[in-house]
Amino acid sequence: DGGITQSPKYLFRKEGQNVTLSCEQNLNHDAMYWYRQDPGQGLRLIYYSQIVNDFQKGDIAEGYSVSREKKESFPLTVTSAQKNPTAFYLCASSIAGANTGELFFGEGSRLTVL
Amino acid sequence: QQQVKQSPQSLIVQKGGISIINCAYENTAFDYFPWYQQFPGKGPALLIAIRPDVSEKKEGRFTISFNKSAKQFSLHIMDSQPGDSATYFCAALNSGGYQKVTFGTGTKLQVIP
Repeated sequence: DGGITQSPKYLFRKEGQNVTLSCEQNLNHDAMYWYRQDPGQGLRLIYYSQIVNDFQKGDIAEGYSVSREKKESFPLTVTSAQKNPTAFYLCASSIAGANTGELFFGEGSRLTVL
Repeated sequence: QQQVKQSPQSLIVQKGGISIINCAYENTAFDYFPWYQQFPGKGPALLIAIRPDVSEKKEGRFTISFNKSAKQFSLHIMDSQPGDSATYFCAALNSGGYQKVTFGTGTKLQVIP
């Protein structure tokens, strides 16, 4: 089945530690995105990538980093510089240039900082 | 800066009733307005979408109404069912650029039997 796989589903981290969230897609989509979801704040864009080896900052990129070495993969690193990292993180993909507003989301990774 | 404002934050509707969620936008460059549905522990999924050249779009029990002059749009769920209980996000984007979707803050809908 085609889709987006995020791992791990749940993750606990101590303050000061970096953590990397995995996102893999087999939809053959060019564009991939990372969103952060907090209660009452909707989904906020962290980073996006429209093509391999290229990515752009979204609205809340500070304290995060990404890479796009393969079309299928778009990992997100939450660094110790992120002041409030506890959140639900969603990875998404879309057909580049489709402009239909249709994003295909994974099931998310919930990060808790202890 | 919240470019898409959504209300209410939560909504309780009896089975068979009509659920109404409202959104307003500020950026006149937005020209495509999707709605997403998210069940607990899952990622959002596209439900229905509308362009501003039409005032209404209906798919089954779900209807989007659009008021371009007021820069407002709303989702109506007719004959609401317990299976509709989910969080709903309105969204907006400029289809001329890359697919940057701006989301509303979400409405948690609970349909009670």
